[in-house]
Amino acid sequence: NSKVIQTPRYLVKGQGQKAKMRCIPEKGHPVVFWYQQNKNNEFKFLINFQNQEVLQQIDMTEKRFSAECPSNSPCSLEIQSSEAGDSALYLCASSLRQGRYTGQLYFGEGSKLTVL
Amino acid sequence: GEKVEQHESTLSVREGDSAVINCTYTDTASSYFPWYKQEAGKSLHFVIDIRSNVDRKQSQRLIVLLDKKAKRFSLHITATQPEDSAIYFCAASPLASSSFSKLVFGQGTSLSVVP
Repeated sequence: NSKVIQTPRYLVKGQGQKAKMRCIPEKGHPVVFWYQQNKNNEFKFLINFQNQEVLQQIDMTEKRFSAECPSNSPCSLEIQSSEAGDSALYLCASSLRQGRYTGQLYFGEGSKLTVL
Repeated sequence: GEKVEQHESTLSVREGDSAVINCTYTDTASSYFPWYKQEAGKSLHFVIDIRSNVDRKQSQRLIVLLDKKAKRFSLHITATQPEDSAIYFCAASPLASSSFSKLVFGQGTSLSVVP
């Protein structure tokens, strides 16, 4: 069983609505990633954090997505105005720091977003 | 940026036979190559990884080979069992000039092990 906890497992939104997903990383893991997995099994990296600090994010994330990993609270990924193309499985993963390497990622079960 | 191609979209083998899944990458700076397994309706689970300082790694029935010249790596599953049936994803990551480089995933190979 995954120790990275993602909620909700499923969410359905209309176009233009906000969609928010949460992730509790594995205990002691300072690095958190968000990936989007579409129905064709293509992965798109969205953003990653070390503790509360954003390390990398893509343009899409900067414009319509917002994410945070506050201290002592779950990490979250929010889509401000959902579009049909956002329908996908959103995967959160956490990792221990291993020098310059990310190391093994531990994935949550994902939040499956359907935008009608 | 890095692109990872996974050559077999589906693969079917008989129980007990070996399965081989091949991946190629484009970025010569990539130096870390993990494999993940995703069973139906479940999340990704780490299977095995290899770093660019070696060209072979084995963990029980799993062998990973890395050919840096050809920018190719492969997962060999020996003595396959029905529970090996899943989608397998290869990935690549450069040794970052900054920390915590993201993984770039292949498109997945759906492996079926037939009894």
